Amino acid sequence: GAGVSQTPSNKVTEKGKYVELRCDPISGHTALYWYRQSLGQGPEFLIYFQGTGAADDSGLPNDRFFAVRPEGSVSTLKIQRTERGDSAMYLCASSLLAARSYNEQFFGPGTRLTVL
Amino acid sequence: DQQVKQNSPSLSVQEGRISILNCDYTNSMFDYFLWYKKYPAEGPTFLISISSIKDKNEDGRFTVFLNKSAKHLSLHIVPSQPGDSAVYFCAASSSNSGYALNFGKGTSLLVTP
Repeated sequence: GAGVSQTPSNKVTEKGKYVELRCDPISGHTALYWYRQSLGQGPEFLIYFQGTGAADDSGLPNDRFFAVRPEGSVSTLKIQRTERGDSAMYLCASSLLAARSYNEQFFGPGTRLTVL
Repeated sequence: DQQVKQNSPSLSVQEGRISILNCDYTNSMFDYFLWYKKYPAEGPTFLISISSIKDKNEDGRFTVFLNKSAKHLSLHIVPSQPGDSAVYFCAASSSNSGYALNFGKGTSLLVTP
């Protein structure tokens, strides 16, 4: 079956612009996670959805970052007034259920964001 | 602050020998630990995991050991194969935070023929 997909695979934008990154999770997965990986670092947690609601957004670096999952499936990560420091690989992962026990998180290939 | 640490950025091992990758963590609330493998231009792929109630989990050539008192875990690959060459990330999670993963910086493993 299809895995987690992310679009676009690459996004180049200018400082100050607005960008949207999309994640299509595995069908039936209720939990969805966004991570950000900077060069030479491991992925860093941003936000986690259980269904439609953001269960934990403590990893979002500031209020320029926002994510939605209106129908409990596809999620969009939105970044306003982009800065050069936002340049990174943005990874999305989904799992069956996160509430009571660990379920394997399946990662997408990521979106490489470059802010010029 | 980095709650999961992988202090060796790279490791080179000869084919057929054992690869040992190490990881330390600081948060005692972590109750599930994982190793992910990552190739360039791909997302991380789950390799093996261990719950905090165990001290060892084995899956084929891969074994993960957990020492809770030392807050240390390690991944053993025996025998190592050239196809194992990749970046390995240690990750830890807590049931209190929806199992969001806290990753180390990764160790780049090179297995030479």
